[in-house]
Amino acid sequence: QKEVEQNSGPLSVPEGAIASLNCTYSDRGSQSFFWYRQYSGKSPELIMFIYSNGDKEDGRFTAQLNKASQYVSLLIRDSQPSDSATYLCASNTGNQFYFGTGTSLTVIP
Amino acid sequence: DAGVTQSPTHLIKTRGQQVTLRCSPISGHKSVSWYQQVLGQGPQFIFQYYEKEERGRGNFPDRFSARQFPNYSSELNVNALLLGDSALYLCASSLAPQEQFFGPGTRLTVL
Repeated sequence: QKEVEQNSGPLSVPEGAIASLNCTYSDRGSQSFFWYRQYSGKSPELIMFIYSNGDKEDGRFTAQLNKASQYVSLLIRDSQPSDSATYLCASNTGNQFYFGTGTSLTVIP
Repeated sequence: DAGVTQSPTHLIKTRGQQVTLRCSPISGHKSVSWYQQVLGQGPQFIFQYYEKEERGRGNFPDRFSARQFPNYSSELNVNALLLGDSALYLCASSLAPQEQFFGPGTRLTVL
């Protein structure tokens, strides 16, 4: 079983819609969770991190964490074509970091 | 401020050779982590160094080694290269444990 699992997609949404990306993790000892965006041929860039149950908002992005269900999500409001990328979910347990395989998102103009 | 820098950008080696990849963290960051990313997969954690000491190690063979220098830059060494070592090698630096910032990566091709 992988530490962090994501639906690989692809996920397509129309411009202006809400994109919902999901992630589950297996280790209940995981302390922090991260969302990265990776454009094709580029390195991952940090969008946001969350470590407390509930929601955390930053601009058009909202991360949600439910430790009881071992579930993390990222909502992107008012999706733009420039949001088209692969979104990576990651967890941190001690000094170990685990990434999912990523979900490919396409925002259709 | 400059971000994380890595060198070289691209590298081609043959099986059995050895390779050294270099990383300079963001100024003020004392922690460096190394990742391997195979096409279509997420990054896989190799090592984390903080203040020149190894703080974390992923599930990679002993052919992989790393070190961190007094100026917090780091090197990743891979010995006895295999075809399967072909990947994008990413370095990430962090000030706090939570936020890692990635460099552009080194694309390694093993022939």
